[in-house]
Amino acid sequence: GQQVMQIPQYQHVQEGEDFTTYCNSSTTLSNIQWYKQRPGGHPVFLIQLVKSGEVKKQKRLTFQFGEAKKNSSLHITATQTTDVGTYFCHGSGNTGKLIFGQGTTLQVKP
Amino acid sequence: GAGVSQSPSNKVTEKGKDVELRCDPISGHTALYWYRQSLGQGLEFLIYFQGNSAPDKSGLPSDRFSAERTGGSVSTLTIQRTQQEDSAVYLCASSLAWDRGRGLNSPLHFGNGTRLTVT
Repeated sequence: GQQVMQIPQYQHVQEGEDFTTYCNSSTTLSNIQWYKQRPGGHPVFLIQLVKSGEVKKQKRLTFQFGEAKKNSSLHITATQTTDVGTYFCHGSGNTGKLIFGQGTTLQVKP
Repeated sequence: GAGVSQSPSNKVTEKGKDVELRCDPISGHTALYWYRQSLGQGLEFLIYFQGNSAPDKSGLPSDRFSAERTGGSVSTLTIQRTQQEDSAVYLCASSLAWDRGRGLNSPLHFGNGTRLTVT
């Protein structure tokens, strides 16, 4: 069945360093969404990518959707302590399933 | 209300008891989803509603779990004869309609969840 793999599972960085999480699907996706969950909180929508090769930016965050629409990445430039949390990708395809990646938990050392 | 509302926020129950969790979605959102999240884990899909019907129940862990939605709004997730492995945070989310055939969905808006502890 459709699977969405997300790596790495955990990442510890020093404040100011960059961070990237990757999401890979076994099947072509119609769109992909990214969510952030702060410790003790619930997932909050960040962005949605629809087009092949699409790149979107939100301040220090850069989101990419692969040309084949099977992979995506989230890159944070110059991390801050406020970036701490778990980042999930969420894929939707024509298989009728919505699949969350396992999440990447980011820890930032001040 | 402005967001997805879930109740109770916390529920402690004894093994073997039934529990009912409630979700009140954002007004106008026709799609409603239930997920389960165990401590430090990812999001496990349970069930999805489009209006009052549930096209996909494939994620329900066992026949002890059931869910319904009435009036295209409030949904309840019922767990019968609770077991300790049912302990988790149960998250509800809502969105505008999900076109399953084309795989197009709008952003999910999550509630704060119900933390269920089975003793």
